[in-house]
Amino acid sequence: EDQVTQSPEALRLQEGESSSLNCSYTVSGLRGLFWYRQDPGKGPEFLFTLYSAGEEKEKERLKATLTKKESFLHITAPKPEDSATYLCAVQARSTSNSGYSTLTFGKGTMLLVSP
Amino acid sequence: GAGVSQSPSNKVTEKGKDVELRCDPISGHTALYWYRQRLGQGLEFLIYFQGNSAPDKSGLPSDRFSAERTGESVSTLTIQRTQQEDSAVYLCASSLKGLAGGWADTQYFGPGTRLTVL
Repeated sequence: EDQVTQSPEALRLQEGESSSLNCSYTVSGLRGLFWYRQDPGKGPEFLFTLYSAGEEKEKERLKATLTKKESFLHITAPKPEDSATYLCAVQARSTSNSGYSTLTFGKGTMLLVSP
Repeated sequence: GAGVSQSPSNKVTEKGKDVELRCDPISGHTALYWYRQRLGQGLEFLIYFQGNSAPDKSGLPSDRFSAERTGESVSTLTIQRTQQEDSAVYLCASSLKGLAGGWADTQYFGPGTRLTVL
């Protein structure tokens, strides 16, 4: 069974204090790993898709990296507007007769950046 | 362009009543998904549509839950005889190609419908 574990559950940073969020996964072959940002009362907003170990993607203060067992979301010099819950999801290569597998989501890391 | 939209944004109902939740996907997206998000839990997959067909209904929690999609566009999630444990945010997402085919297809989410069953 595919599993995704995100840590920490919650993280409190001062503005400008860089840090990383972790997403550990266990899948039977990775097709893709997704990062989303979710603000309170809103749906998840897509950030990145990573496909293979060693891949990195950047967007403003965010950088996502991927290894064979985990992904990190690095936040450089965060601002209060970066406060949100960050979700990680994986899509495995299908092992069923259907030919596909659905996304498995972690429970998220709630990030609070104080001014 | 327009994103995924859902209605209503909030729904309060009494136990035992039926509810219908609507999703309008991004135009041109062939795949549509429904998820449930309970407080403090990860997103729980409910159902996936490829076009108007639902090849995977395995996530529906019980036979009180059903969904349909018409015109390769709008989808409706229906919950019959609602129970208090059905209270959650119901999220809809759409993607361009879907889950088959060997690719990782990005899903774009709507704002959700918050369902409260009293």
